[in-house]
Amino acid sequence: GAGVSQTPSNKVTEKGKYVELRCDPISGHTALYWYRQSLGQGPEFLIYFQGTGAADDSGLPNDRFFAVRPEGSVSTLKIQRTERGDSAVYLCASSPLGLAGERTQETQYFGPGTRLLVL
Amino acid sequence: DAKTTQPPSMDCAEGRAANLPCNHSTISGNEYVYWYRQIHSQGPQYIIHGLKNNETNEMASLIITEDRKSSTLILPHATLRDTAVYYCIVRVGASYDKVIFGPGTSLSVIP
Repeated sequence: GAGVSQTPSNKVTEKGKYVELRCDPISGHTALYWYRQSLGQGPEFLIYFQGTGAADDSGLPNDRFFAVRPEGSVSTLKIQRTERGDSAVYLCASSPLGLAGERTQETQYFGPGTRLLVL
Repeated sequence: DAKTTQPPSMDCAEGRAANLPCNHSTISGNEYVYWYRQIHSQGPQYIIHGLKNNETNEMASLIITEDRKSSTLILPHATLRDTAVYYCIVRVGASYDKVIFGPGTSLSVIP
């Protein structure tokens, strides 16, 4: 079956511009996560959705970053007034909802990422 | 989440077993040990996880010490395609929990 897909695969923008990054999770997965990965580092958590609502947005670095998931499937990460420091790979992951302790709940499936470069 | 410590890099000869260590001395009783890997230019990929007992699947084996303060991921017959960064993570397994990645171990499989 299809995995997590992300578009675009690469995005180059200028400082101060607005960008949107899209994530299509695995069909039926209710949990969706956004991470950011800088060169040479592990992925850093940004935000988590359970259905349509953001259950944990503690990782968003500031109010320039916002994410939505209006129908509980596709999610869009939005970055306003981009800065050069926002350049990174933005990863999306999804997982199925399970009862506490179910093994299937614990596996997050990652997409290939969107490489954002802010000039 | 408990912190983990991994060597920054390791080499392994192709066809040999790759043994990747991880220390998690402050792990709590309800935290699982997870391993992910990330091949260059791809998203992280789940490998295996365990709580107390050793685990094995088609990709790898996970050996957890009796005191649970350390673990070893074993790739029994490493291939060139196993060259990747390997992340050891501890997290609560009973419900949603964000994955907190450290820098991981960069494994190079050498022909």
